[in-house]
Amino acid sequence: KQEVTQIPAALSVPEGENLVLNCSFTDSAIYNLQWFRQDPGKGLTSLLLIQSSQREQTSGRLNASLDKSSGRSTLYIAASQPGDSATYLCASGGNTPLVFGKGTRLSVIA
Amino acid sequence: DAGVIQSPRHEVTEMGQEVTLRCKPISGHNSLFWYRQTMMRGLELLIYFNNNVPIDDSGMPEDRFSAKMPNASFSTLKIQPSEPRDSAVYFCASRALDRVGEQYFGPGTRLTVT
Repeated sequence: KQEVTQIPAALSVPEGENLVLNCSFTDSAIYNLQWFRQDPGKGLTSLLLIQSSQREQTSGRLNASLDKSSGRSTLYIAASQPGDSATYLCASGGNTPLVFGKGTRLSVIA
Repeated sequence: DAGVIQSPRHEVTEMGQEVTLRCKPISGHNSLFWYRQTMMRGLELLIYFNNNVPIDDSGMPEDRFSAKMPNASFSTLKIQPSEPRDSAVYFCASRALDRVGEQYFGPGTRLTVT
């Protein structure tokens, strides 16, 4: 059974800092790895999806990488801004529904 | 497209009452998922449907929970009777069957059972 872990559970950084969020999964037989953002009281918004054949995906200041052999994915946020404050969840996709980590709650301090 | 629509957005009820949560998936999507999110357990899959047929309901916590999808544009999640430990945010998500992993989430229903 796939298990997804995110460390740290919470992270606080000053504005402008580059940061990395970590995601690990136990079963490397995944179709894809997806990163979501969740604002307080809101639903989940998809940020990036990496197919199993890919190593990384980029969108603006966000870059997500995938290393299936080590069972890890990272989300890199460049030049963080207070508006980036949210909870970030990763989820592994296979031929069964998404399996989510518990998320990393990010606070970017102005 | 309006995205996945859920109603109500907030529900406060007393223990023992019946609660019905509603979801309208994105038009053309033929998979629908119900999740529950709590601080302790994170986001948990309760049940999902493909082409209106329940595929896996192993995440449904107890017989008090039931879900239906009478047609491609509507699903309900019912809790009867409700208990305080059912308090959580319930999300509905949908996707096209051939788009593995690309789920779109609704805004959620925050349920409080007192």
